[in-house]
Amino acid sequence: QKEVEQDPGPLSVPEGAIVSLNCTYSNSAFQYFMWYRQYSRKGPELLMYTYSSGNKEDGRFTAQVDKSSKYISLFIRDSQPSDSATYLCATRRQGAQKLVFGQGTRLTINP
Amino acid sequence: DTEVTQTPKHLVMGMTNKKSLKCEQHMGHRAMYWYKQKAKKPPELMFVYSYEKLSINESVPSRFSPECPNSSLLNLHLHALQPEDSALYLCASSQVLAGVGEQFFGPGTRLTVL
Repeated sequence: QKEVEQDPGPLSVPEGAIVSLNCTYSNSAFQYFMWYRQYSRKGPELLMYTYSSGNKEDGRFTAQVDKSSKYISLFIRDSQPSDSATYLCATRRQGAQKLVFGQGTRLTINP
Repeated sequence: DTEVTQTPKHLVMGMTNKKSLKCEQHMGHRAMYWYKQKAKKPPELMFVYSYEKLSINESVPSRFSPECPNSSLLNLHLHALQPEDSALYLCASSQVLAGVGEQFFGPGTRLTVL
């Protein structure tokens, strides 16, 4: 079993839809949670960074962490074609430098 | 400035060549990373430098040789690579302080080994 599970998709939604991307993890020692966006042939771009449980909002993006169920979510409101990319969840333990990534979900927003 | 730069953008090399990848950041980060990413896969950690010292080597073959000349620069020296080493090589940097450690990635170098 992978430490972080993420559905690779692909996921295709119409423009303007609310997108929900999810990951589950198995190690309760994970404390820090990240979402990266990666466009084709580019490096990952950090979108959201959260510590422990709770919500964090940044513009159209909301990250949610539920440590009791070991569930990480990223919501994208009013999705745009420019949001089409692969979204990677990642997590790490306190004091650790190694990130554990999910497989990435390929998302397409159709105009 | 939240930018990590990498050169070259693309590199094609033969199995007998020696080449180097370069990475630079000016965010004052004291941890720098090399990752390898194959198509449709997440990045895989190769090396971590903290305060210019190698702190993590993920059992990477010796044909990959990292170097951290100073706190802003990170190199990856390549020698006698195999075609299966073709991938996107990503550099990242972060703070080292406990509890702080978002990793910021560069755009990557796309390496093709013939």
